Amino acid sequence: AQTVTQSQPEMSVQEAETVTLSCTYDTSESNYYLFWYKQPPSRQMILVIRQEAYKQQNATENRFSVNFQKAAKSFSLKISDSQLGDTAMYFCAFMNTGNQFYFGTGTSLTVIP
Amino acid sequence: DVKVTQSSRYLVKRTGEKVFLECVQDMDHENMFWYRQDPGLGLRLIYFSYDVKMKEKGDIPEGYSVSREKKERFSLILESASTNQTSMYLCASTTAGGTASTDTQYFGPGTRLTVL
Repeated sequence: AQTVTQSQPEMSVQEAETVTLSCTYDTSESNYYLFWYKQPPSRQMILVIRQEAYKQQNATENRFSVNFQKAAKSFSLKISDSQLGDTAMYFCAFMNTGNQFYFGTGTSLTVIP
Repeated sequence: DVKVTQSSRYLVKRTGEKVFLECVQDMDHENMFWYRQDPGLGLRLIYFSYDVKMKEKGDIPEGYSVSREKKERFSLILESASTNQTSMYLCASTTAGGTASTDTQYFGPGTRLTVL
């Protein structure tokens, strides 16, 4: 079975600074997909960034980028130039080729003005 | 834009009541999911469906059932609500295959259910 671990329940960062959220996963599959989702307070969960396991290049999406280490089964999210609107719960997720999703327990990020 | 809607944002029910949570998506997605979200536990999959009238148990199906009579609609049913089912319930949908660069799960706004 796949498991996703987020070891940081809470984090904070000063506005305009950079923060990295960690995620590790466990799987025996070779082809899969990884995601970071953002859930702002009292708002809908939305996709931040997606990475295909067969791609070596790390995905980037504006201020958001990932550090994907397949051998280490690590998938961290880096947020650059943090903004107040980045305050949210962040979930790391794994999807196998059978379309089954597995989520971590989340990291609550607070951006401090 | 993909839209996933849930019938209620907040719901209060009494122990023993039958509860229906409805989810509708407008993107013709094959796959639909029901999760419950609890602090410190993340999202846990209750049930999912790959097609009309098809359902599969997730990690925590006990006390729940589902119905998918139409492709766009996926209902979660609590046959006899209990206080330990007080939680946030999230519905999600995704297209089959999941290999396109834009494929992801799209989530509804959630229903916060309180069972008294």
